[in-house]
Parts: sequence; structure tokens; C-alpha cells
Amino acid sequence: GQQVMQIPQYQHVQEGEDFTTYCNSSTTLSNIQWYKQRPGGHPVFLIQLVKSGEVKKQKRLTFQFGEAKKNSSLHITATQTTDVGTYFCASGAGSYQLTFGKGTKLSVIP
Amino acid sequence: DSGVTQTPKHLITATGQRVTLRCSPRSGDLSVYWYQQSLDQGLQFLIQYYNGEERAKGNILERFSAQQFPDLHSELNLSSLELGDSALYFCASSVEGGRNSPLHFGNGTRLTVT
Repeated sequence: GQQVMQIPQYQHVQEGEDFTTYCNSSTTLSNIQWYKQRPGGHPVFLIQLVKSGEVKKQKRLTFQFGEAKKNSSLHITATQTTDVGTYFCASGAGSYQLTFGKGTKLSVIP
Repeated sequence: DSGVTQTPKHLITATGQRVTLRCSPRSGDLSVYWYQQSLDQGLQFLIQYYNGEERAKGNILERFSAQQFPDLHSELNLSSLELGDSALYFCASSVEGGRNSPLHFGNGTRLTVT
């Protein structure tokens, strides 16, 4: 599967601040999926991006797929304590298996 | 509730022992995946099955084996357990098992090897 690198590994933000996590690959990705894992929970599928330059929004969350399909980002506007968790990107170009990034662990300080 | 059922929730066992983790996929999903998550680590892909057949293999140790049965449930067998095998083991399922299929994860089995 494709190797995807996620940065940062950890992010601490004050409630109300914005947050962004990035997912990068050295090769072209066929798709990118984003998952959220709450503390003590299991990963939950958020969204999938397939097209070059694609942008999708879910309330305060904005997902982007780069023009070259080698990177993606997840941006959260005005974080809330309910946003706490680890955000993973995953891709499976050229294979059946999904390879997950190591995740970005988000802490929100009330 | 994802619809994926994993049992047991917790397992505590000694080094050298063998355990079996069980997973029932969401109704209608044909593909089952196994992932290992160690403390503060990402999700390491172990193996994938589709409709009873092995479809993809990741970094699965030779001491580990899995299978998917005709009723589509899956079992992951871990033998000759070592301390380093302590981790959270997730099962996930998807409709068709292709790279564009979103995964639905179970709650995981937390394995502790002492």
C-alpha cells in the first residue's frame, strides 16, 4: 500500500482556535480517506476524497485533496472539546489494503 | 454503533499462550480486515479477507493466522504470545473490499500479555 505521512503528530489548541492536519505522500494517491478515533474508541470513517483538487465540508471540518493528489488536509474551524481525538488519513492506491498514517492527536484546552 | 462485533473486549494471558479473537462484520459486508494498534501507535494492517478468501496481507507475523468463515465472520489466532503482542486489535469490514470502500471498525479487543 501507499505510504502516507501525517503531520503534526500532536497538536494542542485552545478551544475556539483552528486546527489543521496534513497527509503527504511521495507518490500519487488514488484516493484519501479520513478517520477520527476518540480516546478509548475505534476509528470512525469521516470522508473520502477521490478527485484532484477536491474540497469537501462537513460543518466545521474542511477536507482538501491536492491538485497533484499527493497530499491532503483536514482543517477544523473553531475547535470544540468534542473534536478531541486522533485523526488518521488512509489511502490504498494500487492495492486493496488501506494504509493508515500514524495520525494526529488533537487536544483541546477548554 | 458500527455494526461490527468483536469479542472478547479484553483478554489477559501469559507469554507463550494462544488466543483467538473473533469478529462479525456488518450485515452485507463481504470483506474483513484486521489491524493492530499499539499504545500511541497508528493502525498496522495485518490481513484482509473477501468472501472467505485472503485478499491482502500486511505485516502479519508467522505466529499469527486468520480466516474468514462461510458465514463471513472472521477469527484472528495469535500463538506463542510475547509481551510485545500486547495491543488493541481492531476488526473492520467493508462492502466490497476495494480501496475506495470505507471501513467500519469494531470496538476492538484489548490484549494484554503478561
